[in-house]
Parts: sequence; structure tokens; C-alpha cells
Amino acid sequence: DAGVTQSPTHLIKTRGQQVTLRCSPKSGHDTVSWYQQALGQGPQFIFQYYEEEERQRGNFPDRFSGHQFPNYSSELNVNALLLGDSALYLCASNIGQTYQETQYFGPGTRLLVL
Amino acid sequence: GESVGLHLPTLSVQEGDNSIINCAYSNSASDYFIWYKQESGKGPQFIIDIRSNMDKRQGQRVTVLLNKTVKHLSLQIAATQPGDSAVYFCADTGGGADGLTFGKGTHLIIQP
Repeated sequence: DAGVTQSPTHLIKTRGQQVTLRCSPKSGHDTVSWYQQALGQGPQFIFQYYEEEERQRGNFPDRFSGHQFPNYSSELNVNALLLGDSALYLCASNIGQTYQETQYFGPGTRLLVL
Repeated sequence: GESVGLHLPTLSVQEGDNSIINCAYSNSASDYFIWYKQESGKGPQFIIDIRSNMDKRQGQRVTVLLNKTVKHLSLQIAATQPGDSAVYFCADTGGGADGLTFGKGTHLIIQP
């Protein structure tokens, strides 16, 4: 039973660039949530996708956008990167239709913005 | 702001002792609570959860206690082992499939 997978594992970008991160949910899960975790902090909720639509959004600017594909995988896009966007980006999945809240996390993508 | 926070940033315990990690939350509407364990360089790992209609739930070597009156949550780890060394986060949600709100975490250190 495959868990949540994310790619790439590490990424280095420069200010102003754009980045796309990818996530495949745990087998049988249809809902994907994205979180940003700064060093020494707890994860911060960015947004959640269900049925290919953004269902809920945290307090993040429009530079952060996403997409969910018919196979439930998801992408997180960040435009006009800032130094402060350097963080571990986590993807979590759960079964949304039956409101199974337990979210299972992937290993994350560590983004460094120079 | 955050609706969930932890009282102590670091907790040091002797191997074999029991560990208690505490958490306070502020959102009265929160009805689902989860404890995660995060090892260095990894994503959070689900440990145990509890719903607001329960006061206590037990797993393997772990127990979660919920006190809704004072909005307090705790994680008890029995017979702490070196592999328990990690950062522990509590998280809550208002229900349904909402995004989780995390606290800052408690770093559990196991002394030999």
C-alpha cells in the first residue's frame, strides 16, 4: 500500500522564480492538502483540493496556487518566489467524501530560495 | 493566529520512563484532535487521534487525554524508548475535512 509521495525531495531556486511541487496521495485517498513548514515551526495549512477543486484555503497569498488531477494527484505552484518561501512543503491526503479526517503526510519537499 | 499551542518546547526523559506531552487549544469549535510525530528530515507521522465526544483513547504504548473544559490535550508515551525521540505536534480541526491547525511542537529527548 503506497503512502503519500512527493517530488522533488529538494529544490533550490532564486528570488522571483516560479516552482512546481508534486504530490501523489495514499492509495484510496481522494483529498490532498498542502502545508508549509518553516524551520522550527509547526506546519501551516495552505489549501486543500477535493474533486479537482480548491475546497479550503489558509492564510496564504495568491502567489500560491494548486491543481488536482483526475487521478487525485496534486501540484503546488508558487510564483515570484521570496526568500521567506524557503521551507519544507508537505502534502497530506485523506478520504474526503466520507469525511475521514485523518491526514497522512508525505516526506515533504525542501525548498531553498536564494 | 494558531488555535493550538504546546507548553514546552523541549522535554527530556530517561529511557524507560513515561513521557507526557501537553497541548492547549483555543478553538471551542474544534472537534477532532491528532498527535503527530516528526523525525528529523521526515514528514509528520500519525500517532493517535481523538474526537471531542471522547475523553481518553489508547493505542500501543500511547494514550491521548482530552479535557474540553480547559481545552487541554495530552499525549502519554509509556516506557519511552530511544526511537521515540522526535518532535511531537498536536493538531486540531473544526471537523469535516478542514485543514489542520498545528502547534509549534515539543522536542522529546531520550536520556540513556
